[in-house]
Amino acid sequence: GENVEQHPSTLSVQEGDSAVIKCTYSDSASNYFPWYKQELGKRPQLIIDIRSNVGEKKDQRIAVTLNKTAKHFSLHITETQPEDSAVYFCAARASGSARQLTFGSGTQLTVLP
Amino acid sequence: KAGVTQTPRYLIKTRGQQVTLSCSPISGHRSVSWYQQTPGQGLQFLFEYFSETQRNKGNFPGRFSGRQFSNSRSEMNVSTLELGDSALYLCASSLGVAGIKREQYFGPGTRLTVT
Repeated sequence: GENVEQHPSTLSVQEGDSAVIKCTYSDSASNYFPWYKQELGKRPQLIIDIRSNVGEKKDQRIAVTLNKTAKHFSLHITETQPEDSAVYFCAARASGSARQLTFGSGTQLTVLP
Repeated sequence: KAGVTQTPRYLIKTRGQQVTLSCSPISGHRSVSWYQQTPGQGLQFLFEYFSETQRNKGNFPGRFSGRQFSNSRSEMNVSTLELGDSALYLCASSLGVAGIKREQYFGPGTRLTVT
């Protein structure tokens, strides 16, 4: 089955700096890669996703890049703000009714004011 | 449009008991997935239902079971509870299992504590 590895497990950045979280996946058939943000005590929220037919997607301060050849994808947050502090999860899924969404282990991002 | 709802939000049970958790997906969503979230193990996939059929199952013992009703609402049951079952149980809904409409949206979770 799919295995998703996520790094780093913790990340501290100064407010205004950029943050990058990286994930690798094992199943070459995976073609959908969402990112979730989970604030303390709250549900995971989908913040951005990318499909395998594109290499990069941006949404304001957030961007995701995908390298299918290397089987890795990354989340980039620019101009970080204290409210960006949360746990971020990457995930991967292949198409087909028998494929599940497999999550990475999460990254605790702390933005220092 | 209302989001995913889960009931109850909190539960305290003792070892050996059983528990049933409920999840109501976003209106129009036909797929419901269940996850167990613990500090040490992250988000672990339990199972996924689509049109009342279990489409996929994670690596959990048979004590964990689920079902989906014709209105897409889903229940999850855990029998013979163990201390290690203490966790946040999250459900997530999406329009479909395969194809393009596979974005999953999570409910607030049910916090289960087993004593």
